[in-house]
Amino acid sequence: AQRVTQPEKLLSVFKGAPVELKCNYSYSGSPELFWYVQYSRQRLQLLLRHISRESIKGFTADLNKGETSFHLKKPFAQEEDSAMYYCALHNQAGTALIFGKGTTLSVSS
Amino acid sequence: DGGITQSPKYLFRKEGQNVTLSCEQNLNHDAMYWYRQDPGQGLRLIYYSQIVNDFQKGDIAEGYSVSREKKESFPLTVTSAQKNPTAFYLCASSPTRPGELFFGEGSRLTVL
Repeated sequence: AQRVTQPEKLLSVFKGAPVELKCNYSYSGSPELFWYVQYSRQRLQLLLRHISRESIKGFTADLNKGETSFHLKKPFAQEEDSAMYYCALHNQAGTALIFGKGTTLSVSS
Repeated sequence: DGGITQSPKYLFRKEGQNVTLSCEQNLNHDAMYWYRQDPGQGLRLIYYSQIVNDFQKGDIAEGYSVSREKKESFPLTVTSAQKNPTAFYLCASSPTRPGELFFGEGSRLTVL
């Protein structure tokens, strides 16, 4: 069965420190993975997707099929990065997204 | 103003009552989804619809029902059979193949 695991409920870092939000998945076949972000009092929105291989707001994520991981990274965290982050995966039929339980990132000065 | 509109934002219900949450979109998206968001549980898929007059159960469909009579609308009914209905409900839409989901602001249902 498809599954997304985000092992950390909360990640607290200081401003300027590197950030890595972990995401592991289980999927048979070629997965399509995404990171979504929910800032305080804002709607959940797409941050990035692995097929576009782009950097958004300084964040990058690389799909590692060998480790079945899609960790989200940023070299220098900013206070405005504080938010809830969800990793998501296409279901097998490609008709819906399956989300992880989310990780709250807290960046303090 | 384009987007997804959910109503009401807050809803209180007595046990044993059915309640319907509205979700409307003007993005001309074919697919629409309902998720339930609980603390520590993330988003769990309730129902989704790829096209008008068709919908599929998600992981936690028991106690819920939906309809998709119009492309723009995908209402969710929380029935009295749902054992733990107090939650935050999110509606989303996307072009046919889900990549970027566009979410509404959510509806918070509290059962008294």
